[in-house]
Amino acid sequence: QVQLAQSGSELKKPGASVKVSCKASGYTFTTYGMNWVRQAPGQGLEWMGWINTKTGNPTYAQGFTGRFVFSLDTSVSTAYLQISSLKTEDTAVYYCARPNSPTGYSYEFWGQGTLVTVSS
Amino acid sequence: SSELTQDPAVSVALGQTVRITCQGDSLRSYYASWYQQKPGQAPVLVIYANSNRPSGIPDRFSASSSGNTASLTITGAQAEDEADYYCDSRDSTTNEYVFGTGTKVTVL
Repeated sequence: QVQLAQSGSELKKPGASVKVSCKASGYTFTTYGMNWVRQAPGQGLEWMGWINTKTGNPTYAQGFTGRFVFSLDTSVSTAYLQISSLKTEDTAVYYCARPNSPTGYSYEFWGQGTLVTVSS
Repeated sequence: SSELTQDPAVSVALGQTVRITCQGDSLRSYYASWYQQKPGQAPVLVIYANSNRPSGIPDRFSASSSGNTASLTITGAQAEDEADYYCDSRDSTTNEYVFGTGTKVTVL
């Protein structure tokens, strides 16, 4: 069965960096793109962008350019989200999500979420 | 960028029917999906491509789309349906994907 397993919660100081991992299993990793979604405390879902797992080409939503980097290690079926120069407003749960078809945008499979807390 | 607007909150009596709407210009061109999210949990896809249910989703969940409005209907709401619901679609101006503002459903 398809599973997306994310790394654990992180507590970081402002200005630091964090790298969140999302390990996929149960399917061929390079068949489906991987999306990233942010949810700030008490807020809604925000689509951050996605990475083409065949080519490694990332696409970032407006508002998620510059400090946010998507990357892959296809040898271990893992996608990564790195955030640099962390700000307190980056405090959120970050989800990886896989669509239900290679070209679709309905996210049928989700990681459990990684809470990133940015606080001095 | 295009927005998808939802009513912030709705309530429904146990066993009754509730409809949640999602409005946005992009829905004229692109299909909507719907997600259910309970506190502390990851979202769950309940509807894809406007009106299709993934395996395991009860048939009390249905959806449709017309013009700039997509709708999710829960027929015979159960206590376990109390959750936040989000639509999503593609933004026709930026080609990005966007989630709706979310609707909190309370089952009375």
